[in-house]
Amino acid sequence: AQKVTQAQTEISVVEKEDVTLDCVYETRDTTYYLFWYKQPPSGELVFLIRRNSFDEQNEISGRYSWNFQKSTSSFNFTITASQVVDSAVYFCALKNTNAGKSTFGDGTTLTVKP
Amino acid sequence: EPEVTQTPSHQVTQMGQEVILRCVPISNHLYFYWYRQILGQKVEFLVSFYNNEISEKSEIFDDQFSVERPDGSNFTLKIRSTKLEDSAMYFCASSDRGRIMGYTFGSGTRLTVV
Repeated sequence: AQKVTQAQTEISVVEKEDVTLDCVYETRDTTYYLFWYKQPPSGELVFLIRRNSFDEQNEISGRYSWNFQKSTSSFNFTITASQVVDSAVYFCALKNTNAGKSTFGDGTTLTVKP
Repeated sequence: EPEVTQTPSHQVTQMGQEVILRCVPISNHLYFYWYRQILGQKVEFLVSFYNNEISEKSEIFDDQFSVERPDGSNFTLKIRSTKLEDSAMYFCASSDRGRIMGYTFGSGTRLTVV
């Protein structure tokens, strides 16, 4: 069985602060993919990043960075110099490479105040 | 950028009625999915569809639900005899041949059962 835990239900920061969203996963599979999605107030799901289990290199994309640590089964997401437009619900998800479905965490609601 | 299109964006139906949610996946994608998100909760997998048949379904996807690809471009989710607890956002998604990428999600259909 697969499980994704996002322990932080809600986070509130002031603009320009850095913020890290935690994601811990459980799987028996040796190969899998991890994802982060953003869900703004408008409701759509926006794909942010995919990381496969073979690649533990951290990734940076602009103000976003991701820290994948297989040893602790974590895939954390950091937003540097947060902006009001970053306010959204962020979901971490796990997918087995052979299966189609993804298992989502409960989501973290990020509020960035001006 | 190719998109997954879902119609309608919002549907209100009376309890006990049947509804059909429509999706047009990305044209060269081969795998199709439906997910559900009850308001304020996480995104839950319903069903995956490949080669004109269901490849996987969750325990949520009982006899009340069915999917169909009637004409090679549309992908529909039918909910028979809707219940109040079927009120949710329904997301359609599609992925390419490899299935290894993050899905492309549609913008969702908000179903309200009254």
